[in-house]
Amino acid sequence: AQSVTQLGSHVSVSEGALVLLRCNYSSSVPPYLFWYVQYPNQGLQLLLKYTSAATLVKGINGFEAEFKKSETSFHLTKPSAHMSDAAEYFCAVSDPNFGNEKLTFGTGTRLTIIP
Amino acid sequence: NAGVTQTPKFRVLKTGQSMTLLCAQDMNHEYMYWYRQDPGMGLRLIHYSVGEGTTAKGEVPDGYNVSRLKKQNFLLGLESAAPSQTSVYFCASSYGDSTLETQYFGPGTRLLVL
Repeated sequence: AQSVTQLGSHVSVSEGALVLLRCNYSSSVPPYLFWYVQYPNQGLQLLLKYTSAATLVKGINGFEAEFKKSETSFHLTKPSAHMSDAAEYFCAVSDPNFGNEKLTFGTGTRLTIIP
Repeated sequence: NAGVTQTPKFRVLKTGQSMTLLCAQDMNHEYMYWYRQDPGMGLRLIHYSVGEGTTAKGEVPDGYNVSRLKKQNFLLGLESAAPSQTSVYFCASSYGDSTLETQYFGPGTRLLVL
């Protein structure tokens, strides 16, 4: 069984400030981890994924996430927030032994950027 | 390249009515998925398809049926809509089944059941 917990359903940061969105996972096997972004009235887009190679993963739009096994975390960061980053962000976990049918999504964090 | 498209974008149904949601992809993907998104619950898989003519149940299949008669289309049916099916429905497709294969999502269908 696997699950993800996203701490904070809403996060607000000022434009230019650090973005930190938290995700903790639970998995009985070494997991694959993902961050997706959903812009208003659009479907989800893959931001980045961790698949057991480098623990620091770089994604699109300047985002990155670090896999920390000891903390069972996969937090998403961006050094400087931009207005266009306002969206909902979903963390997801999967068991590498299974396919997309076993991908488990978190409940999402809505990011608001303050001008 | 339109990617993944969904029809309709928004629909209001009365309890007991039926409807079909259409998902189409032009990327020649084998795998297609239907999810529902509810506040505070993330995305949950309803049904999925591993190829033309094959479908399988996901996490929350009750009250829904699906068909994949053509590779590019994946239909989600509600035979007798219930208020609990009020949700935003997303279709997705991928080339392969592995989670290493990126899923591409449609823009969603917002359904309200009164």
